[in-house]
Amino acid sequence: DAGVTQSPTHLIKTRGQQVTLRCSPISGHKSVSWYQQVLGQGPQFIFQYYEKEERGRGNFPDRFSARQFPNYSSELNVNALLLGDSALYLCASSIPGRTEAFFGQGTRLTVV
Amino acid sequence: RKEVEQDPGPFNVPEGATVAFNCTYSNSASQSFFWYRQDCRKEPKLLMSVYSSGNEDGRFTAQLNRASQYISLLIRDSKLSDSATYLCVVSLAGYSTLTFGKGTMLLVSP
Repeated sequence: DAGVTQSPTHLIKTRGQQVTLRCSPISGHKSVSWYQQVLGQGPQFIFQYYEKEERGRGNFPDRFSARQFPNYSSELNVNALLLGDSALYLCASSIPGRTEAFFGQGTRLTVV
Repeated sequence: RKEVEQDPGPFNVPEGATVAFNCTYSNSASQSFFWYRQDCRKEPKLLMSVYSSGNEDGRFTAQLNRASQYISLLIRDSKLSDSATYLCVVSLAGYSTLTFGKGTMLLVSP
């Protein structure tokens, strides 16, 4: 079975631009979460979606938004990019009621 | 105080050594506990869940002390392939969002 897949794997954007990152969860997993990992830190929770509804939001500005589609895939959007948004963005999927999460390989975003 | 705090690293050990990682968490409502492993520039991967009774998986042993809000991971007979960053992770009851520590890097040398 395929694991969590994310696209693109690498991305370079200019300050002020907008970016959309994509994630497909493991088949049968209905919950998707997004995390940001800056260099030297652990991943930090951004959003959780389940059944197309936002179920949790971390301490991130409104420039960050996300959505989940009927097939449970998800997109993370970041507007007005800042240099500090440069990070590895991780998507994780899980089965409702289970806390174990399985991560995709991530999208490495560089803002210049 | 950070929600999840881990030993600062890196830990440099020779092959065959035993190494222990420590972690404390601040939210007493935390109900689920994990150790994840992250190789350089890769995604975190679940190493093991941590249960109150303690649990073992081959060379890896995890312990949880709820009263002290303390979690540990012991690796016996270290292998070169154990070199990675080990992330301590907690989750609240009823939620599947994870709170990560900063991670502790382990370097195993020949």
